[in-house]
Amino acid sequence: AQKITQTQPGMFVQEKEAVTLDCTYDTSDQSYGLFWYKQPSSGEMIFLIYQGSYDEQNATEGRYSLNFQKARKSANLVISASQLGDSAMYFCAMSPRGGGNKLTFGTGTQLKVEL
Amino acid sequence: DSGVTQTPKHLITATGQRVTLRCSPRSGDLSVYWYQQSLDQGLQFLIQYYNGEERAKGNILERFSAQQFPDLHSELNLSSLELGDSALYFCASSVGGGQHYNEQFFGPGTRLTVL
Repeated sequence: AQKITQTQPGMFVQEKEAVTLDCTYDTSDQSYGLFWYKQPSSGEMIFLIYQGSYDEQNATEGRYSLNFQKARKSANLVISASQLGDSAMYFCAMSPRGGGNKLTFGTGTQLKVEL
Repeated sequence: DSGVTQTPKHLITATGQRVTLRCSPRSGDLSVYWYQQSLDQGLQFLIQYYNGEERAKGNILERFSAQQFPDLHSELNLSSLELGDSALYFCASSVGGGQHYNEQFFGPGTRLTVL
């Protein structure tokens, strides 16, 4: 079974600052994928970034980067130059290899960007 | 806009009733996933279909069923509804079915309220 842990229920960051959202995972699979999604107050789920377990480089997508530390089983999301529009709930998720591509989600971190 | 459509956006019904939620995946996507988001259970995977066939099953109750039609749209049927079934139901789609990691694109969700 796979498990995702997000230990920060809420985070505050000032506009233009960088922020790191923590995610640790547990799995016995050798091959897996890690994902981050953003859920604004409007409710939709927006895909942000993906990291494969065998990828040697950390994934980056614009202002988002994923700090992947395989030995520590962590996949932290780093948002650089925070904007007011980044205020949202952020979910870390993982999927196994094979047997479909189902996502197991963490409990989420509510990020609030302040002026 | 993810390209995934879900109808209806809101649904209010009574206990014991049956409802059908509908999802149209992004053009070209063969996989459809259903997820339930509730306050007490968080985001949970329910079921996945790939090109008309069931590919993976999660914590889906026996009172719930789903199918994917030849035109690739999917329906989630919820019957004998209980108060605890009140939740946001997401449909997501992806190109592949699990052999490779594909990001899932989520629809806007259907908010179900059972009174």
